Formats: sequence, C-alpha cells, structure tokens
Amino acid sequence: DQQVKQNSPSLSVQEGRISILNCDYTNSMFDYFLWYKKYPAEGPTFLISISSIKDKNEDGRFTVFLNKSAKHLSLHIVPSQPGDSAVYFCAARPDKLIFGTGTRLQVFP
Amino acid sequence: DAEITQSPRHKITETGRQVTLACHQTWNHNNMFWYRQDLGHGLRLIHYSYGVHDTNKGEVSDGYSVSRSNTEDLPLTLESAASSQTSVYFCASSAAIRASGPDTQYFGPGTRLTVL
Repeated sequence: DQQVKQNSPSLSVQEGRISILNCDYTNSMFDYFLWYKKYPAEGPTFLISISSIKDKNEDGRFTVFLNKSAKHLSLHIVPSQPGDSAVYFCAARPDKLIFGTGTRLQVFP
Repeated sequence: DAEITQSPRHKITETGRQVTLACHQTWNHNNMFWYRQDLGHGLRLIHYSYGVHDTNKGEVSDGYSVSRSNTEDLPLTLESAASSQTSVYFCASSAAIRASGPDTQYFGPGTRLTVL
C-alpha cells in the first residue's frame, strides 16, 4: 500500500510556462513533506520542503502548496526552464522519509 | 567541501555471490540510509542507521545487511546476490535528530548493480 503517490509518471511543459507536479498521501501523521529533483546518473538533490502546519512555502521559482484536508501537495515551477527537466520525487515523513514513484518533467523550448 | 561518495559506480556480479557497496560521507552526519530505485517503485528504504553501532531494517531489507563502525561509513552487503536485486542503489545522510526538522537527506551519486 503506497502511502505517497505521484499519479502522473510524466509531464511535458513549454519553456516559460508553469509546471505543476502533484503528490497525494494517505497518512495524516506526516509532519514534513519534501521535494527532490533527480538528473540521470546522479543522486536526488533536495529542492524544497513544507511543514504540515503550513499551507505554502516559496523559494525563488519553486512553490510548494499543501492541502491537508485533501491530503494533497503540489510543486509549482514558474517560469519553467529547460534545466528543470528531471525526475521529481515527493517524500513525506512521520520519522523516516517515504518517497513517491516520481514524475519525469520535460521542459521544451 | 563535504560530500557523500559511493563505490563502485557500476558493478556486475553473478547470482549467489556476496557483494558489498561502499558509502562514505564527510558531512559528519549521524544518520545514514540505503535506498534502491526501481522503475515504478521510486526510492525504497533498505536499511538505516542513526549513529555508530545502530542499524535498523527498512521496507525492503531481506537479503541485505549493514554495519556502522564509524560515523563516516555505512557499507551495504548483499549476502547472496539474486537477480531481483538488480537495481540502482543510493546512499544518503542527514543531520537531523530523529523527530525534528524536515530531515533533509543528501544523496550519493548511486551504484548501478547488475546480478546475472
């Protein structure tokens, strides 16, 4: 039973537009949510996080929104750039991180 | 600069062989983790350690073992490699005390293991 789900395996967005990556979870005890970015042949790198007591966290072009009633979080990238093309993992923790299956984002010119 | 390294980066082995994957971090982090990444499964936790001589089983620990004799290293051993263990393995470390903060983990570059 997957506690963290990323239902879209891939997303394609034009450069300059907004990218929205979605993540759903089942465990209401999760206290932190994180997004990681992964390029091919590299390890994941931390992107942004949000505490369960907040509903929004922003860092430059990246904003994460948390909707606790819907058990849903999303990552917005504005504006999208070709260098953003990567696999994005959401993760949640009660104590250890539980990762989703990832969404491959492709940003085309 | 602090970093986390893994070796080897690529390994081909035969079914039944014992294999050890190395992980070394210079962050001086207490927490270290081993994950495997497989298509359709994302990153799954194999074993983890919250300090020297501490080891714990993760979600997919069968067939794997770890030991933590110092802060910097957490080697992962496959006792008798199986084809189902063909995967990409990532080591990670974090500084957070167990129950505080987002537990930002820093990942190594990965080891691609093929079991024939």
